[in-house]
Amino acid sequence: DAGVIQSPRHEVTEMGQEVTLRCKPISGHDYLFWYRQTMMRGLELLIYFNNNVPIDDSGMPEDRFSAKMPNASFSTLKIQPSEPRDSAVYFCASSDRGELFFGEGSRLTVL
Amino acid sequence: AQSVSQHNHHVILSEAASLELGCNYSYGGTVNLFWYVQYPGQHLQLLLKYFSGDPLVKGIKGFEAEFIKSKFSFNLRKPSVQWSDTAEYFCAVKGGLGTDKLIFGTGTRLQVFP
Repeated sequence: DAGVIQSPRHEVTEMGQEVTLRCKPISGHDYLFWYRQTMMRGLELLIYFNNNVPIDDSGMPEDRFSAKMPNASFSTLKIQPSEPRDSAVYFCASSDRGELFFGEGSRLTVL
Repeated sequence: AQSVSQHNHHVILSEAASLELGCNYSYGGTVNLFWYVQYPGQHLQLLLKYFSGDPLVKGIKGFEAEFIKSKFSFNLRKPSVQWSDTAEYFCAVKGGLGTDKLIFGTGTRLQVFP
């Protein structure tokens, strides 16, 4: 299996622009998680899905953030409008109730 | 809600020194415990995990961890570190009814000098 695949790996954008991060989980995994990593706050869980249904989005910072999982093989995390404080590495991870398998991450820089 | 504390934020060791990184969690029920490692510029990878059974868990690259339920601890150990162990180490806990959330500690940055 190719593992969890995220795109883009790097994104540089200007404040106010829309950002869309993408994730393809490992086939057969029924859980998908979005995390954000910053130096100040460490690894924060933003939202997670089970069988494509959002279960807990209490970690989503504000309404500018939204996440979808239209099918078992694809999820998006959208930020609109983006702000400099959103700069971070965003990780997607999938699991089948056991350990989490992480993607390589998407490094977002908002100028 | 569960939480995870890693008391050592930055650890500096020489090669061949022994390592112990502390991890304490707050949840009192049944838990699953994990240690992940993140090498510079890379994603998180699983070192080891505890679900049940023998509280002494052996992982990859010579790492082990001991689950002590009475102390709510899951400390990571390695008897002799190598330069290639330089990385950030994260303890994580999953527990509680109705949740599959994995909560991470703030991480411990380990630097190993030759």
